Amino acid sequence: GEDVEQSLFLSVREGDSSVINCTYTDSSSTYLYWYKQEPGAGLQLLTYIFSNMDMKQDQRLTVLLNKKDKHLSLRIADTQTGDSAIYFCAEIPNSGYALNFGKGTSLLVTP
Amino acid sequence: GAVVSQHPSWVICKSGTSVKIECRSLDFQATTMFWYRQFPKQSLMLMATSNEGSKATYEQGVEKDKFLINHASLTLSTLTVTSAHPEDSSFYICSARVSGSPYEQYFGPGTRLTVT
Repeated sequence: GEDVEQSLFLSVREGDSSVINCTYTDSSSTYLYWYKQEPGAGLQLLTYIFSNMDMKQDQRLTVLLNKKDKHLSLRIADTQTGDSAIYFCAEIPNSGYALNFGKGTSLLVTP
Repeated sequence: GAVVSQHPSWVICKSGTSVKIECRSLDFQATTMFWYRQFPKQSLMLMATSNEGSKATYEQGVEKDKFLINHASLTLSTLTVTSAHPEDSSFYICSARVSGSPYEQYFGPGTRLTVT
């Protein structure tokens, strides 16, 4: 399928906010997801947003969706060292229910 | 809730042998399960879609005779890597879609396969 694009690397200081950006491909995608993967582990669903929403907030996480530009972002407030991981953006394209993943953004949080 | 387990979490096998990986949805029913493969520092690539009671659908380039998938119940799908070779070494991850809830999917912790 077509590519979901993400920047590959982000470094922030502990306590700052992190913003991870994603550009997806299928304008008819109904749900968009953010997953977190720690080293050697599986994927943890962080949050998802329905395509008719512009924003979703869940504790320290804020998801913004610009459907016109097919742009999705994940903001982590008060980033902690435990947030260091790879973050994957994913969409469910109109063709089915399997997720189409981006390449992942590696977030490094420094003290 | 919504826990997906995989077994084993890691396995080392000799070239030419077969390895079976199990994916279970522990507290929900999953009509559909997906199998992904992840190479180091790369994204997940869909291998196949597994539907309970029917044949799996394989993505282009994935050999169905090499990667056998069985989805015999609403809570269990298995992936068997037959006649494994070193190039099959990878991280295999399954996900399970909640029956009746098309957009809820949960991932297993993954299985690290090393073929020597």
